Amino acid sequence: GQQLNQSPQSMFIQEGEDVSMNCTSSSIFNTWLWYKQDPGEGPVLLIALYKAGELTSNGRLTAQFGITRKDSFLNISASIPSDVGIYFCAGTREYGNKLVFGAGTILRVKS
Amino acid sequence: GAVVSQHPSWVICKSGTSVKIECRSLDFQATTMFWYRQFPKQSLMLMATSNEGSKATYEQGVEKDKFLINHASLTLSTLTVTSAHPEDSSFYICSARTGVWETQYFGPGTRLLVL
Repeated sequence: GQQLNQSPQSMFIQEGEDVSMNCTSSSIFNTWLWYKQDPGEGPVLLIALYKAGELTSNGRLTAQFGITRKDSFLNISASIPSDVGIYFCAGTREYGNKLVFGAGTILRVKS
Repeated sequence: GAVVSQHPSWVICKSGTSVKIECRSLDFQATTMFWYRQFPKQSLMLMATSNEGSKATYEQGVEKDKFLINHASLTLSTLTVTSAHPEDSSFYICSARTGVWETQYFGPGTRLLVL
């Protein structure tokens, strides 16, 4: 089935460091989304991307829709303790279609 | 905006009983709602897609008689786990979107424990 390969699987970084994670696919996607999930909570939308090459920021977060439409990355600058959580990439191959999720990146921040 | 709620947030039940979980879009009308299941340390697994006023579409391997979905209005979808068993224990999350072109917004999840 459709799969998104998300990496890294986990990260343990020092507070203040920048973070980068990405998702790739062998198939073209029409939308890319990045969600954050805290323990025991539902995912919260961070950034939504709808066009190839699109670069969007949300505070300290920046995400890009790869030009080939087969990948996306999320950067977090100057990490803080509350950035801890699981980050999921997700995408749809066709507009209106169901979301395909990556396996998630577990982020831990050492203060 | 785009707030989705779920009720209850957690439930413990005995094996063999049925459990209903509600998903509501609080500040928008949701033409489509989705139900996901998530096991510990795993990603979200789509169970079914629910469109208002029509039958839900279930993913392969999901028993529709086991997981009954009703989307009776543009702001409410329910998932009923019938004759629950311990293996049904999981974190159930719904999401909703306003239209075909719109992003999905997720509820806070419902943790089900079947004893």
